[in-house]
Amino acid sequence: AQKITQTQPGMFVQEKEAVTLDCTYDTSDPSYGLFWYKQPSSGEMIFLIYQGSYDQQNATEGRYSLNFQKARKSANLVISASQLGDSAMYFCAMREGNTNAGKSTFGDGTTLTVKP
Amino acid sequence: DTEVTQTPKHLVMGMTNKKSLKCEQHMGHRAMYWYKQKAKKPPELMFVYSYEKLSINESVPSRFSPECPNSSLLNLHLHALQPEDSALYLCASSQGGRIGGVEQYFGPGTRLTVT
Repeated sequence: AQKITQTQPGMFVQEKEAVTLDCTYDTSDPSYGLFWYKQPSSGEMIFLIYQGSYDQQNATEGRYSLNFQKARKSANLVISASQLGDSAMYFCAMREGNTNAGKSTFGDGTTLTVKP
Repeated sequence: DTEVTQTPKHLVMGMTNKKSLKCEQHMGHRAMYWYKQKAKKPPELMFVYSYEKLSINESVPSRFSPECPNSSLLNLHLHALQPEDSALYLCASSQGGRIGGVEQYFGPGTRLTVT
């Protein structure tokens, strides 16, 4: 079974609107971390936001917030006030265990297109 | 400074060539990673170095040989590659250990073409 599932291969959003990118995960490890990365067409992966499995509050970083629903094993990314520069591929990833040098598993990604 | 640098940006090599990819970070991170990424696919982990020791090798063919000369540098030596090895090779680093930042910082990648 896939450990990270992103069910939306492509998404469109109007500029200045909010958009939610879905991510569900599967693990039996009580300690894990969830990440979102952005990859523009240039290729560089850019870290956006992190949520730890024991964090009580949902993570937020500027226009990015992570809607963490532990019981449902979902970690959706919400981008508010979309900008044209947000057009990119977005990957959800999970690291299991409590070491920070472990393996991260990536989902297949969602391509987001922001329309003017 | 949250920069990871990679050289070269582009590399074209024949199947009999030997070449190396280089990655450098000066953030004091103690974990460094090599990923391979095909177009429109997620990155696939190849190797992890933790405190300059190889800690994870994801059953990568021996034609790829990683090296970590010091805590700031990570190399990937390439020899006798196949055309299917053509991909974007990404280097990343993170603080490592059990305490500290968990996010990985990625370099811009090396686009490798094997002819």
